[in-house]
Amino acid sequence: KAGVTQTPRYLIKTRGQQVTLSCSPISGHRSVSWYQQTPGQGLQFLFEYFSETQRNKGNFPGRFSGRQFSNSRSEMNVSTLELGDSALYLCASSSLAGGPYRYFGPGTRLLVL
Amino acid sequence: AQSVTQLGSHVSVSEGALVLLRCNYSSSVPPYLFWYVQYPNQGLQLLLKYTSAATLVKGINGFEAEFKKSETSFHLTKPSAHMSDAAEYFCAVSVSNDAGGTSYGKLTFGQGTILTVHP
Repeated sequence: KAGVTQTPRYLIKTRGQQVTLSCSPISGHRSVSWYQQTPGQGLQFLFEYFSETQRNKGNFPGRFSGRQFSNSRSEMNVSTLELGDSALYLCASSSLAGGPYRYFGPGTRLLVL
Repeated sequence: AQSVTQLGSHVSVSEGALVLLRCNYSSSVPPYLFWYVQYPNQGLQLLLKYTSAATLVKGINGFEAEFKKSETSFHLTKPSAHMSDAAEYFCAVSVSNDAGGTSYGKLTFGQGTILTVHP
């Protein structure tokens, strides 16, 4: 099976812009979650989706949003970018039926200038 | 709420030596525990997981971890380090918060331990 794919892999934006990141889970996986990784804060949970519904949400401002489509692909959007949003954004997929295992994609590295 | 503490942000060993990366967790309910490895400019790769079955868990690349409830620990070990083991390692915990089976809860990560292997 193909792994989790994330696009784009690298992105440069300026403050105030918005950005959309995409994640395609492993075939058959219906749960997708997103994490932000920064040197200062480490790995932090953003949100989790299952069957197009948000199941859990982390402690991030409303500028961070996400959605999941009927084919389980997910997108996350960050509006009004701030310098502190520079990070590696990781997507993970899970089948749930197979157990609590999340498989991570390679991430999208976002740089905000 | 659950939490994870990894003792030691940097661990250095010689090739062939024992690797021991420490992880302590806090959870009010039985947890699921994981170790992930991250190589530079890559995502996270699952090394091993504890899901309330055997307390000694074997993973990939010769790694194993032992769940000790009394010590709330889940330390990662490998008998003999290899140069290719150099990477950052993350311990993580999640708890199931959905009886409907739509979520195993968020992963809460430790701060990570960078493993350096000297020849």
